[in-house]
Order: sequence, then structure tokens, then C-alpha cells
Amino acid sequence: QSVLTQPPSVSAAPGQKVTISCSGSSSNIGNNYVSWYQQLPGTAPKLLIYDNNKRPSGIPDRFSGSKSGTSATLGITGLQTGDEADYYCGTWDSSLSARGVFGGGTKLTVL
Amino acid sequence: EVQLVESGGGLVQPGGSLRLSCAASGFTFSSYSMNWVRQAPGKGLEWVSYISSSSSTIYYADSVKGRFTISRDNAKNSLYLQMNSLRDEDTAVYYCAREVVVAAARWFDPWGQGTLVTVSS
Repeated sequence: QSVLTQPPSVSAAPGQKVTISCSGSSSNIGNNYVSWYQQLPGTAPKLLIYDNNKRPSGIPDRFSGSKSGTSATLGITGLQTGDEADYYCGTWDSSLSARGVFGGGTKLTVL
Repeated sequence: EVQLVESGGGLVQPGGSLRLSCAASGFTFSSYSMNWVRQAPGKGLEWVSYISSSSSTIYYADSVKGRFTISRDNAKNSLYLQMNSLRDEDTAVYYCAREVVVAAARWFDPWGQGTLVTVSS
């Protein structure tokens, strides 16, 4: 059971748009910044979004992030088959003792 | 190029021990906090442990507290994870990840390629 809640899977056709939600609480998302990671099959996670909505260099502007209250959202437009991957949200939690927390991951299928 | 390379994984019996290493290059290792994150087969990411740049602050996930010890050697640009009293549920790919902090925001970048730890009799 992950601290952050994500849908297990989402799907859309090439060229379409998809959003992935990440729900938390005041001890994590509500008071900390959210990052998103892309994990292509058989590879290590890679930073996709940091500081809620910023993209590292090399990440196309098709990827966007937002945060409101205790939830965050990853948006992907102009879907490509190469976007098929697992996506994870992450942040820091300070409820009892400081710890990193992730969502359970969302499998994106580009139909 | 900023790079992290893990090593030390392998097959170990329940109750056994293993020490993972993470070699850092391409950045000033001593200026960054570091983390270990693991991923059980077919499962999601689970944060394991954090160590500050000077080793003065350390955190552990409840699932490994008292069994795992994180450490670092800034002179050798290396991060370690000593894992004792291993259990079947510790089977996972273990990643080391650099923590980047700007103001109050923090994130993991980059991640190493991971090293597989299998706990089985």
C-alpha cells in the first residue's frame, strides 16, 4: 500500500492527451514539492518533472506537471508509442519521521 | 557526465547479509545528499534510506530500520548500504539516487542502473 495514490493504468491513442493523478495528504504533497519519474521497460527511473511543474533539460514540453492542495497531476500530450512506460510521483513525507514516498505507479499504454 | 553505478547485489539466504556500493562520478559527491530506493519484482518504487552530504542526518524506512545501515565515504565518492538479517521481502532491484535540493524542493536525479538482490534459500 503506497502512501501516494495513483491509478494503476491509463491508456490513450497516439497523438492524444492523458493525465495521471497522484493523491496524498497534508504531510506529504500538501506541504512538499512533487516530482515525477518515467521508467521505461527494463530501465532505471528517470526524472521527468521536478518542483511540481518544471522540466529538466531534454524533456519535451509535451510533459507537464501541476499541483493543487494534496494532489498532483502529470499531463502528457501528443502521445507517442515511446511514451509507454510506468510513471511514478514522489515527494517527501514528514508525518512521524521524515521519509521519501512514492505513488504505486501508473502503467501508460499507447494504443 | 553525472553517473551512479551500483554493485554488490546477488543471491543471499534469509538471515544473511550483503553490502551494496554506489560509485559516483561527474559531480561533487560531497555536496549532495543520497538515497537508496528499491523495487521488488513487478512492483513499484519504495524509498529505503537517506543520508545527508556530511552523514550527519540519516533516515530509514520502517521496513528496514534496525537491519540496514546507510553510509558514505566522500573521499571515495561512494555510497553504501549494509543489509543484515535479510528477508524474502527484501528481494528487489536497489537503486542509488542523488538528491537535488533547491530552496524547499527536492528530487532524485540521476538514478543508477540498479543492482539486484535476491533473498532465497
